[in-house]
Amino acid sequence: DSGVTQTPKHLITATGQRVTLRCSPRSGDLSVYWYQQSLDQGLQFLIQYYNGEERAKGNILERFSAQQFPDLHSELNLSSLELGDSALYFCASSVGDGFNQPQHFGDGTRLSIL
Amino acid sequence: AQKVTQAQTEISVVEKEDVTLDCVYETRDTTYYLFWYKQPPSGELVFLIRRNSFDEQNEISGRYSWNFQKSTSSFNFTITASQVVDSAVYFCALRSAGGTSYGKLTFGQGTILTVHP
Repeated sequence: DSGVTQTPKHLITATGQRVTLRCSPRSGDLSVYWYQQSLDQGLQFLIQYYNGEERAKGNILERFSAQQFPDLHSELNLSSLELGDSALYFCASSVGDGFNQPQHFGDGTRLSIL
Repeated sequence: AQKVTQAQTEISVVEKEDVTLDCVYETRDTTYYLFWYKQPPSGELVFLIRRNSFDEQNEISGRYSWNFQKSTSSFNFTITASQVVDSAVYFCALRSAGGTSYGKLTFGQGTILTVHP
């Protein structure tokens, strides 16, 4: 158990809908990262927050947004969903912002778009 | 730009065989970290090891060992005397200090390892 909690574990919805994925980092971790894992793209970095502030941005679509709250939990919002958004979404956390720190991953949220 | 290549898409071995997973990386940064992660069939990503760009000492942890060679930009992972429980997808990843790559882990495509009894 990595200590990173993601909810829900599975999500099934339809095209055009909006969903929110939630992540609670390990106790004491200030950084939260979001990744998307799909068969065609592999594991892709989406975005990082550190202590409530956006720290780095990757291949995140404009239809997607995220935030980190004062209690350090994070939410990833996906809107106007398309079939291609079906994927496993991982949240990871690390103690600080340093690039040397290992990121510890949650179990993921599997999103299926019908 | 950063890139991680795991040339072996799938490897199949019989229990007790040794197996090496290859990883080659590209980065323009001189300071970076390399990681290996394991993704078992249950789906979670498990951190295995971290190595910085200035430390080329090989590392051994039980049946696992890692060979980092900066000259060939490789960070290979060997499992000795493989077991069925080692069956998983293994990812090599890179994170550097530079520019827009700062926050991200760049992952390879993964190697699917199947260990048969």
